Amino acid sequence: DGGITQSPKYLFRKEGQNVTLSCEQNLNHDAMYWYRQDPGQGLRLIYYSQIVNDFQKGDIAEGYSVSREKKESFPLTVTSAQKNPTAFYLCASSRYGTGKETQYFGPGTRLLVL
Amino acid sequence: QKEVEQNSGPLSVPEGAIASLNCTYSDRGSQSFFWYRQYSGKSPELIMSIYSNGDKEDGRFTAQLNKASQYVSLLIRDSQPSDSATYLCAVNEDGNNRLAFGKGNQVVVIP
Repeated sequence: DGGITQSPKYLFRKEGQNVTLSCEQNLNHDAMYWYRQDPGQGLRLIYYSQIVNDFQKGDIAEGYSVSREKKESFPLTVTSAQKNPTAFYLCASSRYGTGKETQYFGPGTRLLVL
Repeated sequence: QKEVEQNSGPLSVPEGAIASLNCTYSDRGSQSFFWYRQYSGKSPELIMSIYSNGDKEDGRFTAQLNKASQYVSLLIRDSQPSDSATYLCAVNEDGNNRLAFGKGNQVVVIP
């Protein structure tokens, strides 16, 4: 089955700890995205990548880092600099093109602070 | 940052009725418009995409786009309890692959 997987489903972070969220896709999509969703809010873009070894900051990149070493994988690290990390994190992917391409979402990771 | 507004509060509709959702956007150059459905605790899934002015129908769903007035709407006909969810409007930015999302509209279908 083609799709997007995210792990873990739930993640707990201690004070001062960096944590990494996994996102893998087998849709052969060029572009991948990370969003953050807070309760009652829409999705806010953290980082996105349109090609391997290249990525751009979204609207709320501070306190986060990413890498794109493989087309299939786009891990997100939540660093200790992110002071309010509790949220639902969503990874998405799409074909790269003119902007009409649909973004497909993974099941999400819920991050909680201990 | 481009703005996408979904201002209506929770919408309660009786089963079988029509649910109407509206979305306005600030960037007149936006080209692509998407409606996603999100069940509580789950990730968004695409319902409709629309790129040209007018109506686009898919089953019980109809998307309407008016670029001159900068709004896009979603109609859900013959609403079912399974339609109870939050509906997110998304608009592409500047013809690239970035999407700007509204905060969503919660729909509750009452049996």
